[in-house]
Amino acid sequence: DIQMTQSPSTLSASVGDRVTITCRASQSISSWLAWYQQKPGKAPKLLIYKASSLESGVPSRFSGSGSGTEFTLTISSLQPDDFATYYCQQYNSALTFGGGTKVEIK
Amino acid sequence: EVQLVQSGAEVKKPGESLKISCKGSGYSFTSYWIGWVRQMPGKGLEWMGIIYPGDSDTRYSPSFQGQVTISADKSISTAYLQWSSLKASDTAMYYCARIQAAAGLDAFDIWGQGTMVTVSS
Repeated sequence: DIQMTQSPSTLSASVGDRVTITCRASQSISSWLAWYQQKPGKAPKLLIYKASSLESGVPSRFSGSGSGTEFTLTISSLQPDDFATYYCQQYNSALTFGGGTKVEIK
Repeated sequence: EVQLVQSGAEVKKPGESLKISCKGSGYSFTSYWIGWVRQMPGKGLEWMGIIYPGDSDTRYSPSFQGQVTISADKSISTAYLQWSSLKASDTAMYYCARIQAAAGLDAFDIWGQGTMVTVSS
């Protein structure tokens, strides 16, 4: 099974900050990686697929990069609506989610 | 509008059976895989399994194989997740979600609103 490790698990930031979240795979997954945002009491929302493709309707301040085993999600200028938990997910072999990164208000 | 609508919250006792549902609309239900995802209280997302409603081809996560059954009725565009004997540890929010590529594994682009299952004596 492919394991996905996200870091950090919690991140404190202020509005306007540039935020980066990392996701590492236990083996190469090429670019078969997605990022989701989840707010309390809500279903997850797809942000990025195939490591760097922005889902329709998602603000351009979100971007993804990486391939192989290391990936990043970047929010270029954190907005109030962005405080949430973020998950990566690989779909190279079966499906696996990372443990999540909670972005909190500093 | 493409959407998945899940059945309502359930409260059950240990040992009881349960079947929850996920109804798709606004797209060709038989052409996209549907997955089920568990989220235990305060925890992360766990993939349980996926089904292709067109032919009911089903794949399970090793962690959930034998613990649940995933099925679909394409005539009513509905996928199901069922338990034969619930445990307290099955208490969680369960989401269904559509895999965005018709061909195979991909990201989940459409999510249901979730079904909360509470198992308590």
